[in-house]
Amino acid sequence: DVKVTQSSRYLVKRTGEKVFLECVQDMDHENMFWYRQDPGLGLRLIYFSYDVKMKEKGDIPEGYSVSREKKERFSLILESASTNQTSMYLCASSFIRRGLAGGNEQFFGPGTRLTVL
Amino acid sequence: SQQGEEDPQALSIQEGENATMNCSYKTSINNLQWYRQNSGRGLVHLILIRSNEREKHSGRLRVTLDTSKKSSSLLITASRAADTASYFCATDHPNFNKFYFGSGTKLNVKP
Repeated sequence: DVKVTQSSRYLVKRTGEKVFLECVQDMDHENMFWYRQDPGLGLRLIYFSYDVKMKEKGDIPEGYSVSREKKERFSLILESASTNQTSMYLCASSFIRRGLAGGNEQFFGPGTRLTVL
Repeated sequence: SQQGEEDPQALSIQEGENATMNCSYKTSINNLQWYRQNSGRGLVHLILIRSNEREKHSGRLRVTLDTSKKSSSLLITASRAADTASYFCATDHPNFNKFYFGSGTKLNVKP
């Protein structure tokens, strides 16, 4: 059974703290994604990685950084957490697809609900 | 923005009824996907339809795509209480490996 796991389901941090969210997939997927989900705004892409050590900014990268040292692991880092980063964070992975036939299914983790006080 | 937008935002029906959700998008696509999210959980892929397809079925799900109107619909037939969830459409991005997600339709199926 394919699996994407996230290190925590719930996390409470204080303003200014450095926060690490970890995501691991066991499907040998090339692509990994970090989204945040807020009511009424849907899923917004923070960062995307298509290979080890490769990353690409998504729609809302400000205040976040990422690390992908191994193919199966993609970390999201909040360098100095702020209250406006309180949100649900979703990690996903997929196989890489090139060309017009693209359309690869994304597999999601269960999410981490982060509260920054 | 390329982002797909679902309509309605919320839908409440009785068990056994059909549920229809719509998705509109702004620019041309290669394919469109539908996902489901149970409350507080991650998304689960339901179905993918390519731009050269007009209709696709999977169990009780029927998806249509009208590229001339830039819209898609998801029909769930004979709904069950277990279908209660949020449903999202995702349209592909010029980088084929990324998608735009809409804000979802929240479906409540009453037993």
